[in-house]
Amino acid sequence: GAVVSQHPSWVICKSGTSVKIECRSLDFQATTMFWYRQFPKQSLMLMATSNEGSKATYEQGVEKDKFLINHASLTLSTLTVTSAHPEDSSFYICSAVGATSYEQYFGPGTRLTVT
Amino acid sequence: GNSVTQMEGPVTLSEEAFLTINCTYTATGYPSLFWYVQYPGEGLQLLLKATKADDKGSNKGFEATYRKETTSFHLEKGSVQVSDSAVYFCALRRAGGGADGLTFGKGTHLIIQP
Repeated sequence: GAVVSQHPSWVICKSGTSVKIECRSLDFQATTMFWYRQFPKQSLMLMATSNEGSKATYEQGVEKDKFLINHASLTLSTLTVTSAHPEDSSFYICSAVGATSYEQYFGPGTRLTVT
Repeated sequence: GNSVTQMEGPVTLSEEAFLTINCTYTATGYPSLFWYVQYPGEGLQLLLKATKADDKGSNKGFEATYRKETTSFHLEKGSVQVSDSAVYFCALRRAGGGADGLTFGKGTHLIIQP
């Protein structure tokens, strides 16, 4: 089946620094990728939708200048958390949709801790 | 806006027990409905789905029926196994939103004891 990977699986960074999270579709081309955020015991919240070669579409309340998304190829999307603060600590999950169906395939997630 | 409400966990059952995890939704029109399962250390996997009213999704012994009149999509399994222990998420995609992101419930942690 379709596999989506994320790197790193966990990261600790200091407040004020930036961190990049990668999402890759390993065996299919992803025309659309989604980024979600999950707080403990909360649901996954959609942050943004990215389409290859175009600007990401952000959900209401998500700061586009803080969460930079780049979907440079059909197999890679990156999420950069800029000037991270402790309140950005969360579990970030990506998903990818191929060209032949609308089924979303999810990555295993990245745990970000900002100290 | 759209929302999904599912029962809080953890839900602890003995092996071979009957399982129901309730899920209700708020959305306009006829959204597509999904159940995802997340095993420890893995990404979410699609368990089953239904795209129109009265549809029944089924997979691996799990079933859920799209009930428009009660805006529900409850997950059921007749006889659970230890291997079913995982977190289950109910989700929806808005009507006509083929490549849209999903709206998720909070997830229900299911623990099956031998």
